Amino acid sequence: AQSVTQLGSHVSVSEGALVLLRCNYSSSVPPYLFWYVQYPNQGLQLLLKYTTGATLVKGINGFEAEFKKSETSFHLTKPSAHMSDAAEYFCAVSDPRGNNDMRFGAGTRLTVKP
Amino acid sequence: EAGVVQSPRYKIIEKKQPVAFWCNPISGHNTLYWYRQNLGQGPELLIRYENEEAVDDSQLPKDRFSAERLKGVDSTLKIQPAELGDSAVYLCASSFVAGPSYEQYFGPGTRLTVT
Repeated sequence: AQSVTQLGSHVSVSEGALVLLRCNYSSSVPPYLFWYVQYPNQGLQLLLKYTTGATLVKGINGFEAEFKKSETSFHLTKPSAHMSDAAEYFCAVSDPRGNNDMRFGAGTRLTVKP
Repeated sequence: EAGVVQSPRYKIIEKKQPVAFWCNPISGHNTLYWYRQNLGQGPELLIRYENEEAVDDSQLPKDRFSAERLKGVDSTLKIQPAELGDSAVYLCASSFVAGPSYEQYFGPGTRLTVT
């Protein structure tokens, strides 16, 4: 079975500082990996995804993530945090052989301080 | 393009009462998903439809939960009777087809509180 673990349920950074949200996965096959963002009282929005090919994936709003097979990680980064980045972030994994049934992590709440 | 529409956005009911949630997916999307998101957790899949067929309902508590997708478009998720532990956000998502390469688009969810 596939699963993801998000390290840190809450992360707080200052505006302009580096954002690093951690995600480790468990999968018996090369997985597809996703990062979603959820703003208050809204649904989830896809930030970026890794399927195959280049391991450094760029997404919307200046976010990027790197697939590291040796570390079973898919951490999300952004060089400079904005106040508007404050939200809940979810990492998810799916089996490329399946039907897009994703397994989500518990989420990381990002707070951005002025 | 309109997104996934869900109603109601909020619902408060007493335990043992029935409740229903409605979802209208993005036009042309043949795959529809219902997720439950408990407080402080990520979404968990309840059921997936491909057109009008429920192809994966293994996580749906069938003793009290039911779902339907008539005509392969709108869908309704029902709980009868509701229990205190059903308090959660119920998310609907849709994708063009089923498959890991196709993005799932999520609605805003229905926040259910059972008292």
